Amino acid sequence: DAKTTQPNSMESNEEEPVHLPCNHSTISGTDYIHWYRQLPSQGPEYVIHGLTSNVNNRMASLAIAEDRKSSTLILHRATLRDAAVYYCILTDNYGQNFVFGPGTRLSVLP
Amino acid sequence: AAGVIQSPRHLIKEKRETATLKCYPIPRHDTVYWYQQGPGQDPQFLISFYEKMQSDKGSIPDRFSAQQFSDYHSELNMSSLELGDSALYFCASSLRTSTDTQYFGPGTRLTVL
Repeated sequence: DAKTTQPNSMESNEEEPVHLPCNHSTISGTDYIHWYRQLPSQGPEYVIHGLTSNVNNRMASLAIAEDRKSSTLILHRATLRDAAVYYCILTDNYGQNFVFGPGTRLSVLP
Repeated sequence: AAGVIQSPRHLIKEKRETATLKCYPIPRHDTVYWYQQGPGQDPQFLISFYEKMQSDKGSIPDRFSAQQFSDYHSELNMSSLELGDSALYFCASSLRTSTDTQYFGPGTRLTVL
C-alpha cells in the first residue's frame, strides 16, 4: 500500500482557512486520495476525495499537486466543530480496506 | 439520508465471554468493512465482505469471526474475550465502484472486564 505522511498536529483560529498537507510520494497512477476526519468518540466521516483534479464540495476543497505526490485539504473557514483528527488515505482498487495512518489532529481556537 | 447502523452501541463483557456486534449497511450498499480502534489508536482494518463473501482480511484474531447475511447486514462474533479486546468497533459500508467511498457507523464500544 502506498504510504501517506501528515503532520501530527496543527492549530487554527476560528473562521480562518486551514490547509492540511499530506505527502504521498509513492502514489500510483490509479490511487484515489481520500480524506476522512474523526471527531472524538465518533466514527470516521467522509470529507472529500479526488484522483487528479482539484475537487470542491460543501465541506472542503482538495488541492492535488500536478505530480500527485502531495495533496492539501482546505477548510475555508474553520469552526470549533472542525476540531478532529484528519486522515489522508490512498486506495487503488475496488473494495480495498482503508489504512489509517497517524493523521493530523486539528485544534481550532476560538 | 440513511446511515450505517450498529448495535449495540455499548457492550460490557467479562473475560472469556463471547460478544456479537451487528452492522446494518446503507441500503443498496454491497460491501461491509469492520475496523477496531483501541484507546488512543487509529482504526485498524479487521475484515470485509462483498456480496456476502469475505473480500479481504486484516489483523483479525482467530477468536473473531464475521459474516454477511442475505440482507447484507453483517455480524462480528468475538469469543474468549480478552482485556485487550476493549475497543471501539466500527462498521463501514460502500457501494463497490472505482472510488469506494466508505461510510462509517457510530461504532460499538466494547469493554471487557
